[in-house]
Amino acid sequence: NAGVTQTPKFQVLKTGQSMTLQCAQDMNHEYMSWYRQDPGMGLRLIHYSVGAGITDQGEVPNGYNVSRSTTEDFPLRLLSAAPSQTSVYFCASSYRKTGELFFGEGSRLTVL
Amino acid sequence: EDKVVQSPLSLVVHEGDTVTLNCSYEVTNFRSLLWYKQEKKAPTFLFMLTSSGIEKKSGRLSSILDKKELFSILNITATQTGDSAIYLCAVEKRDDKIIFGKGTRLHILP
Repeated sequence: NAGVTQTPKFQVLKTGQSMTLQCAQDMNHEYMSWYRQDPGMGLRLIHYSVGAGITDQGEVPNGYNVSRSTTEDFPLRLLSAAPSQTSVYFCASSYRKTGELFFGEGSRLTVL
Repeated sequence: EDKVVQSPLSLVVHEGDTVTLNCSYEVTNFRSLLWYKQEKKAPTFLFMLTSSGIEKKSGRLSSILDKKELFSILNITATQTGDSAIYLCAVEKRDDKIIFGKGTRLHILP
């Protein structure tokens, strides 16, 4: 079983470049979310979605865009990368109202 | 502003000790409290608590929620080196947001 698949696992960008982190799940979960994890900061919610066509902002949405055109996919876009976006990014999914998030393996992004 | 605060932030104990990890929260529209364990990579789910005073248990791990005082504890008895990890507390809100605390880094010495 694939579960939650994130790509790429590692990426280095220059300031001002754009990129998309891909996230796909094969568990038919309604709920998908993106977090960033920085040392000493825990996980901070960027954006989340409760179903296809529905997205909402989390705690730290600035500089990031998302869309949810299908149940399976929830890409995260950085339009103009900044060094402050250097982080490890996790995508997660779950059935709604269960609290049991299934996480991808993470994507380590460095912005120079 | 929603807050989930964990303490201590870091803890070192010897194998066989019992540890208690704390999580307090101030959020609007609370639905449930969640505990996760993060070893080398992604967090994995441990417990979901929705009702006060009802203990959830899985092997040597147990957790309880106090909705009046707005906190939860995670107990680990007879710790083993494999329990070394970051333990994350989170709150699920009724608008579906899941907000995490900063985590407690637990290290078990052999």
